[in-house]
Amino acid sequence: DAGITQSPRHKVTETGTPVTLRCHQTENHRYMYWYRQDPGHGLRLIHYSYGVKDTDKGEVSDGYSVSRSKTEDFLLTLESATSSQTSVYFCAISESPGVGYTFGSGTRLTVV
Amino acid sequence: AQSVSQHNHHVILSEAASLELGCNYSYGGTVNLFWYVQYPGQHLQLLLKYFSGDPLVKGIKGFEAEFIKSKFSFNLRKPSVQWSDTAEYFCAVNQRGTYKYIFGTGTRLKVLA
Repeated sequence: DAGITQSPRHKVTETGTPVTLRCHQTENHRYMYWYRQDPGHGLRLIHYSYGVKDTDKGEVSDGYSVSRSKTEDFLLTLESATSSQTSVYFCAISESPGVGYTFGSGTRLTVV
Repeated sequence: AQSVSQHNHHVILSEAASLELGCNYSYGGTVNLFWYVQYPGQHLQLLLKYFSGDPLVKGIKGFEAEFIKSKFSFNLRKPSVQWSDTAEYFCAVNQRGTYKYIFGTGTRLKVLA
């Protein structure tokens, strides 16, 4: 969808290395979210942000950190990647919590 | 803990068949309800949403969903599916007044031409 981009689209990294995924939006939406999608688990919330420098943990936050220094960018960092973090990561944005999300195209991360 | 259940994990239908995908949630408060669709290799897109009012909600591409509060359900329906409806469908619940959504595990629909 226009207005939200994720980078990189694909990444292969080695166990133990740090990885940062970027979500960039041009919609000026307040709320941003990081999800991971895994077979049999659907989408699980990792972290979310409700404003610049305002973030909180989701249900699967262990091993992940986030930062939001400006409205348009929400970064997800894997401090030390593990094979269990191999997944497809989706960023989502929302202008208010109840109106639904717009999703980015996803980042496919493989940790070897 | 709040949860969303989609009981049908895989559904296979022939074109023109009718579709109903189940979604049940466990939360006693007020909710906003959504169905998303993910076509192969793509990201999730919003199909329809319910906030309040008429419990029968119409979305894009001929889909509709009915909110039955007493059953904590929000089932997705389509009278006649097409091959292009082959996708994975996710139900999601937002507890009103919170930032978070809970997603079901998805239902993979395959429509045979």
